[in-house]
Amino acid sequence: KAGVTQTPRYLIKTRGQQVTLSCSPISGHRSVSWYQQTPGQGLQFLFEYFSETQRNKGNFPGRFSGRQFSNSRSEMNVSTLELGDSALYLCASSWGTSGTFIETQYFGPGTRLLVL
Amino acid sequence: GENVEQHPSTLSVQEGDSAVIKCTYSDSASNYFPWYKQELGKRPQLIIDIRSNVGEKKDQRIAVTLNKTAKHFSLHITETQPEDSAVYFCAASRRAGFGNEKLTFGTGTRLTIIP
Repeated sequence: KAGVTQTPRYLIKTRGQQVTLSCSPISGHRSVSWYQQTPGQGLQFLFEYFSETQRNKGNFPGRFSGRQFSNSRSEMNVSTLELGDSALYLCASSWGTSGTFIETQYFGPGTRLLVL
Repeated sequence: GENVEQHPSTLSVQEGDSAVIKCTYSDSASNYFPWYKQELGKRPQLIIDIRSNVGEKKDQRIAVTLNKTAKHFSLHITETQPEDSAVYFCAASRRAGFGNEKLTFGTGTRLTIIP
């Protein structure tokens, strides 16, 4: 079974621009979560989507947004880029079904964004 | 919200010795604790996880222990090998009703195995 894929793998943008990143989950997984990884802040949760609905959101400004399509693929968008947005953006997929425990999350390779 | 602290931030171990990484969490409702290994330039890979209904789980050279009373959990790697060198992250989560697939991560431990 193919793993989580993300495109593009690398991006260079300038301040003020916007960017869209894409994530394709493992086949059958319906939950997609996004994380930002930086040397200073570590891995921080951005948001999670399940069946095209945002179920959970982290503490990031409104410039960060996302969506999920009917095939569970997800995109995240960052508008008005700032230098501090330079980071590795990781998505993770899981079954997302109900239960006492959350389902295991599997990460994609990430998109490395550099803002100049 | 949940807060996860991880120690140490760096750890150097002689090949063949054991390594232990510890994490504490703040939310007593947390019930799922995965550990991820991230090699340089690669994605985080799940190496082991534990749910709050057990106190210990082992998979070959890797084990995780959970102390719910003290709210801490630890990763134990025995007979370390050079390929164990990586950054290790602990994480915690709880299921608040249906959904809420959110992991709160520790700050990571850079493990170096000395040949």
